[in-house]
Amino acid sequence: ETGVTQTPRHLVMGMTNKKSLKCEQHLGHNAMYWYKQSAKKPLELMFVYNFKEQTENNSVPSRFSPECPNSSHLFLHLHTLQPEDSALYLCASSQERGLPLHFGNGTRLTVT
Amino acid sequence: QQQVKQSPQSLIVQKGGISIINCAYENTAFDYFPWYQQFPGKGPALLIAIRPDVSEKKEGRFTISFNKSAKQFSLHIMDSQPGDSATYFCAASGGSARQLTFGSGTQLTVLP
Repeated sequence: ETGVTQTPRHLVMGMTNKKSLKCEQHLGHNAMYWYKQSAKKPLELMFVYNFKEQTENNSVPSRFSPECPNSSHLFLHLHTLQPEDSALYLCASSQERGLPLHFGNGTRLTVT
Repeated sequence: QQQVKQSPQSLIVQKGGISIINCAYENTAFDYFPWYQQFPGKGPALLIAIRPDVSEKKEGRFTISFNKSAKQFSLHIMDSQPGDSATYFCAASGGSARQLTFGSGTQLTVLP
């Protein structure tokens, strides 16, 4: 196990649906991240939380809404997504904001 | 300034051969250069990392070579094995860029 658990592993949703991705880390880390991974592209950082406070939002559309209730849990709420949002969404954590990153196995999202 | 350029996009190597993946960066403030390995269905996992105070770091069959003046670093996999078949990402961070900037990945296939 990676120490970072993501659920669900796969998600298919329509453009009008609302769904949430969940991430839980068991490593005692203080920083958590959401990344988007699309084929043949660099990993795109979406959001960073440090000690439950959002410290970065890399110009992510408002149809993606993160939530970090505590240092161990991170959610990504999704609504009115577009087909181009289909990708692998990776959660990661680190001891402090920075390095090294420990990734979960991702949620494969398909928007139909 | 923040980009990390990775090549090749894909690489096929015979078992026992040497796999070489290259990355180049522009931001001279970068001071941490990790490589991540990702198997299908899994999240990226830290493989090996280097800081610019050394020109080479070796861990088993994996070696990072770092050329500060050329702003380039590379991953060498000696005696490549079919189990090394994965996607490899280089990354960099440092200075004001606290978060990792990733390369676009190299899909390595090691033929038996």
